Amino acid sequence: DTGVSQDPRHKITKRGQNVTFRCDPISEHNRLYWYRQTLGQGPEFLTYFQNEAQLEKSRLLSDRFSAERPKGSFSTLEIQRTEQGDSAMYLCASSWAREETGGSLNYGYTFGSGTRLTVV
Amino acid sequence: EDKVVQSPLSLVVHEGDTVTLNCSYEVTNFRSLLWYKQEKKAPTFLFMLTSSGIEKKSGRLSSILDKKELFSILNITATQTGDSAIYLCAVEDDAGGTSYGKLTFGQGTILTVHP
Repeated sequence: DTGVSQDPRHKITKRGQNVTFRCDPISEHNRLYWYRQTLGQGPEFLTYFQNEAQLEKSRLLSDRFSAERPKGSFSTLEIQRTEQGDSAMYLCASSWAREETGGSLNYGYTFGSGTRLTVV
Repeated sequence: EDKVVQSPLSLVVHEGDTVTLNCSYEVTNFRSLLWYKQEKKAPTFLFMLTSSGIEKKSGRLSSILDKKELFSILNITATQTGDSAIYLCAVEDDAGGTSYGKLTFGQGTILTVHP
């Protein structure tokens, strides 16, 4: 499989529990992004990595959220003490350097299928 | 703070109709505008626009960007039931260098096409 893989696909947890999601990007991609999408809304940016360095974090990423990409390959997103408001689809995407073909910029993102979190 | 606004939020049409979806944006460092189609899973890429006034087409879908007025439209002609989905507009932040920047998405337009 040469796409972006996310695990698990679905997660149901009780309020107050900790959860961890994993994202495996395309192997040669150096950037990895996390987004969160709630029902009826577009995806919202959470954070992104360049190799193992976390370059930016959204204000949406509270202290209960932490993301890592320890070796510049896969990434994990952990949510501690989950709340019902954390219920959402968590999307991962990866990208490589910008490329052009014939003067046109190539599209460079690949999204995973997401992890749907339900907090009960 | 970067902002992307889509309109209408929802649209119901019959097969064969033509629809126009709108996207306006306010971003500090614009690099590109993207359109996606989403059907219960991850967004599927449709178009990437970087230059004003150049229409991109793919079958019955087309899109154009106006960087002066800060908006884009997505047109779908001869709609089919399979076009029913959420259409997302996103703006890419200019992160500098050779890598792609983060995306700021609009809230999406829910399109329903009835037979």
